Amino acid sequence: DVKVTQSSRYLVKRTGEKVFLECVQDMDHENMFWYRQDPGLGLRLIYFSYDVKMKEKGDIPEGYSVSREKKERFSLILESASTNQTSMYLCASKTTWWGGGYNEQFFGPGTRLTVL
Amino acid sequence: GQQLNQSPQSMFIQEGEDVSMNCTSSSIFNTWLWYKQDPGEGPVLLIALYKAGELTSNGRLTAQFGITRKDSFLNISASIPSDVGIYFCAGQRNSGNTPLVFGKGTRLSVIA
Repeated sequence: DVKVTQSSRYLVKRTGEKVFLECVQDMDHENMFWYRQDPGLGLRLIYFSYDVKMKEKGDIPEGYSVSREKKERFSLILESASTNQTSMYLCASKTTWWGGGYNEQFFGPGTRLTVL
Repeated sequence: GQQLNQSPQSMFIQEGEDVSMNCTSSSIFNTWLWYKQDPGEGPVLLIALYKAGELTSNGRLTAQFGITRKDSFLNISASIPSDVGIYFCAGQRNSGNTPLVFGKGTRLSVIA
């Protein structure tokens, strides 16, 4: 079974702190994604990476950065956490499609971050 | 960034009822997907649709890829309490590593 794990299920931080959210996948997937989920807004893409050391901005990258030094690990960084970054953060991974059909995107269980 | 128009936003239904939700877009997608998110968990893929007009079932779930490639619907028949959760539609324009575009979700509550 594909497994995407996130370092914490719940996290409480203070305004101004630097926050690291870690994501690890065990299926050698090339592509990894970070989303935030807010009530009524659905899933919004923050950043994604299609290879080691590669990163692309998603729809809402402001206030975030990412790091992908190893294929299995994709980190989301909040340089200076703010209260409006209180949210559920979801990591996902998928392999690259090479033929017909669709390669499933697998999600982690999420990290609920509260910034006080 | 673009999001898909998903409706309804929420539904309260009696156990045993059928449920229908849909997703529309102003642009064409080559793949439509339906995910379910249980409380406290990440979304899990229910159904993937690859061809316009395609109708696919997975147990009590049936989904269709619209002919115009700009819409999709998901039906759940004879709902049960474990159907509770948030259902997301998602579309992908191209193959490979193009990110998915998600709807805002339909929150389903089932009253026993």
